[in-house]
Amino acid sequence: DIVVTQSPDSLAVSLGERATINCKSSQSVLYSSNNKNYLTWYQQKPGQPPKVLIYWASTRESGVPDRFSGSGSGTDFTLTISSLQAEDVATYYCQQYYGTPPYTFGQGTELEIK
Amino acid sequence: QVQLVESGGGVVQPGRSLRLSCAASGFTFSNYGMNWVRQAPGKGLEWVAFLSSDGTNKYYADSVKGRFTISRDNSKNTLYLQMNSLRADDTALYYCARGNNFGFDYWGQGTLVTVS
Repeated sequence: DIVVTQSPDSLAVSLGERATINCKSSQSVLYSSNNKNYLTWYQQKPGQPPKVLIYWASTRESGVPDRFSGSGSGTDFTLTISSLQAEDVATYYCQQYYGTPPYTFGQGTELEIK
Repeated sequence: QVQLVESGGGVVQPGRSLRLSCAASGFTFSNYGMNWVRQAPGKGLEWVAFLSSDGTNKYYADSVKGRFTISRDNSKNTLYLQMNSLRADDTALYYCARGNNFGFDYWGQGTLVTVS
């Protein structure tokens, strides 16, 4: 099974500053047939279910602000929030969606305001 | 609009059973694979089970294999999770989530299962 590891576990960033979260999978999630990385980023706010932010590693979901971006390929990925807003306080998860299940999640990164 | 509404959670003793349901609306249910995901109190997300659109392909997390069964009734637009031999570490908020070709695009609000 593919293991997904996020870093850091928690992060405190000042308003307007950049936040960066990393995600590493134990094996490549890149499909050579379509050149897509099956890596999805979710945002979960307290008391709410997760919401898709980024899929295929770098495609922003409709309606997601452009301060959120994803990058990476193969086994190493990054979620970047270019200018942190108060409403971005949440826990962020990456998930690999490669092949057949299990579709494992990272352990989560709690983002707060410094 | 797409809606997923879970039900069936509650407090149950260790070793007992519970069946969760997820009522889907706002989309053609029979066209989508569906998942159960759980979240223990204060913890992260754990994928539990997947069922293909036609009900033929099922996958489970190792932690629930042999104890949980995922099923669906496409005529009723409903997904189920039969949970047997429940343990304390099955205590969690259980979400159903629609699968797409890039991840889980819609989630319900969850139903809480407490094993105690």
